[in-house]
Amino acid sequence: EPEVTQTPSHQVTQMGQEVILRCVPISNHLYFYWYRQILGQKVEFLVSFYNNEISEKSEIFDDQFSVERPDGSNFTLKIRSTKLEDSAMYFCASSELEVANTGELFFGEGSRLTVL
Amino acid sequence: AQSVSQHNHHVILSEAASLELGCNYSYGGTVNLFWYVQYPGQHLQLLLKYFSGDPLVKGIKGFEAEFIKSKFSFNLRKPSVQWSDTAEYFCAVNAYNQGGKLIFGQGTELSVKP
Repeated sequence: EPEVTQTPSHQVTQMGQEVILRCVPISNHLYFYWYRQILGQKVEFLVSFYNNEISEKSEIFDDQFSVERPDGSNFTLKIRSTKLEDSAMYFCASSELEVANTGELFFGEGSRLTVL
Repeated sequence: AQSVSQHNHHVILSEAASLELGCNYSYGGTVNLFWYVQYPGQHLQLLLKYFSGDPLVKGIKGFEAEFIKSKFSFNLRKPSVQWSDTAEYFCAVNAYNQGGKLIFGQGTELSVKP
């Protein structure tokens, strides 16, 4: 069964460092997403990406965050200068159709980011 | 703003007990509704979804959920739980005219004692 894969599974970084989280969505999917879950809190939407551009982003997704699909298979989330409050589990997801049109999100296993 | 509330933070049941997990959302328009499950150490998986039609939807592993529009609810049920149902359960809403994002509830941790 095709699946969304994420690397690394866990990354520890110092505050102020840049971090790149990588995702390989399911190959025929067109819509890509990043969500995050701070420990003990809700899963929160960060950004959606379609046709090589951001289609929607949340208030959390400020100038420190960026996404890219550099080579047609990977989908990356970059945090330019990490803060303590960026510590969370980051989930990548993809879908063949837009969720609003009966699309189903397929999630990766998550990348746990710990900022010290 | 849209929000999703799951009433139970942690539910502990014995095997064969019946399960009902509550989910309420706040949004006045058309919504698509989902329940996702996350087994220990695994990724979020879709359990079931409601887009339109019969408000009683059946999902995988014997789960079902009922959409009650007047109550803004989408409760998850299973008549007889098993130890393997131990997991975290998330209710999520997609507002039909607000793109592809899901708004999640805070999750309910289910522990089933053998």
